[in-house]
Amino acid sequence: DAGVIQSPRHEVTEMGQEVTLRCKPISGHDYLFWYRQTMMRGLELLIYFNNNVPIDDSGMPEDRFSAKMPNASFSTLKIQPSEPRDSAVYFCASSFGTHYSGNTIYFGEGSWLTVV
Amino acid sequence: AQSVAQPEDQVNVAEGNPLTVKCTYSVSGNPYLFWYVQYPNRGLQFLLKYITGDNLVKGSYGFEAEFNKSQTSFHLKKPSALVSDSALYFCAVRGGTSGTYKYIFGTGTRLKVLA
Repeated sequence: DAGVIQSPRHEVTEMGQEVTLRCKPISGHDYLFWYRQTMMRGLELLIYFNNNVPIDDSGMPEDRFSAKMPNASFSTLKIQPSEPRDSAVYFCASSFGTHYSGNTIYFGEGSWLTVV
Repeated sequence: AQSVAQPEDQVNVAEGNPLTVKCTYSVSGNPYLFWYVQYPNRGLQFLLKYITGDNLVKGSYGFEAEFNKSQTSFHLKKPSALVSDSALYFCAVRGGTSGTYKYIFGTGTRLKVLA
């Protein structure tokens, strides 16, 4: 399997611009997670989906952030408008499992975002 | 609320010596515990997990971890460290009660293996 695929790998954008990060989970996985990694805050869970439905978005920092999962093989994380403090590495991860299982989540290589 | 703590920001060990990276957790119900490793400019790679059963779990690259319920710990160990083990290590926990599927990660411990 190709693993979790994220794009773009690197993006530099100007403050105020819209940023869209994309993720293709591992085929057959029914859970999808978006994490953000910064030096100051470590690895934070932003939102996760089950069967394309958002389950918990309590980690989304503010209304400028939105995430969608239109089908089982694609998800987006959008920031509009972007700000310098959004600069971070954004990871997408996926897993397969029931509500009670301890299944492993698998990470993509990350999208490295710099907002100037 | 579930949480995980990695008390050491960095661990230094000489090549060939045993290594331990510490992790403690707090969670409702039975925990699901994980270790991941991150190399520079890469995503997190799964090393091992504890779900149930034997308290000593063996994983990739010769790593193992010991689940201790009374101390709520899940320390990562390796009998003989390699320079190539130098990386950032994350402990993660997921609670075993219904209603949650959150995987919460610690702040990470940077392991430096000295030649």
